[in-house]
Amino acid sequence: GAGVSQSPSNKVTEKGKDVELRCDPISGHTALYWYRQSLGQGLEFLIYFQGNSAPDKSGLPSDRFSAERTGGSVSTLTIQRTQQEDSAVYLCASSYEIGRDRGAYEQYFGPGTRLTVT
Amino acid sequence: GESVGLHLPTLSVQEGDNSIINCAYSNSASDYFIWYKQESGKGPQFIIDIRSNMDKRQGQRVTVLLNKTVKHLSLQIAATQPGDSAVYFCAENIDGGFKTIFGAGTRLFVKA
Repeated sequence: GAGVSQSPSNKVTEKGKDVELRCDPISGHTALYWYRQSLGQGLEFLIYFQGNSAPDKSGLPSDRFSAERTGGSVSTLTIQRTQQEDSAVYLCASSYEIGRDRGAYEQYFGPGTRLTVT
Repeated sequence: GESVGLHLPTLSVQEGDNSIINCAYSNSASDYFIWYKQESGKGPQFIIDIRSNMDKRQGQRVTVLLNKTVKHLSLQIAATQPGDSAVYFCAENIDGGFKTIFGAGTRLFVKA
């Protein structure tokens, strides 16, 4: 079946503009995650959704970042008034929420959106 | 903040040799650990996981070892192949939570 998809694959924007990144999780996955990966760095956890709810937003870098998920499926990550330090690859992942012994937390990642703020 | 770190940023091995990638974690409350492989231009891909009630878990050509006493995790790859060349991340998770903390990654080079 189809994996996690993200769009756009690349986005170049001018400093100060708003951007919206989209993630389509694997069908049936109730958990969805957003990460940020700077060049040559590890993954920085941003936010996760259980269904349409995001219980913990403390990982978002600033109040310019927001995320929503509707219908338990598609999620969007919005960055307002982009800054150069926002340049990174934004990765989305999804997973099932089933019993502990069934690999409940195995996350399936999309290819990412490469954001460049000029 | 909380972090999962790696001892070596790069590792170069000869094709056919075994590879060992190490990882130290900082949160003693973490009880679920995962190794991911990331190839250039792609998202991370799950390799193997282990829960804190285990010391060792084996998959196909891969073995994960967990030493909770020293908060150390390792990934062993048997008979390393060119297709194993990638960046490998360890990650930790606290049961019941969905927040996953990733390490900085180790780049594995396989020489033919």
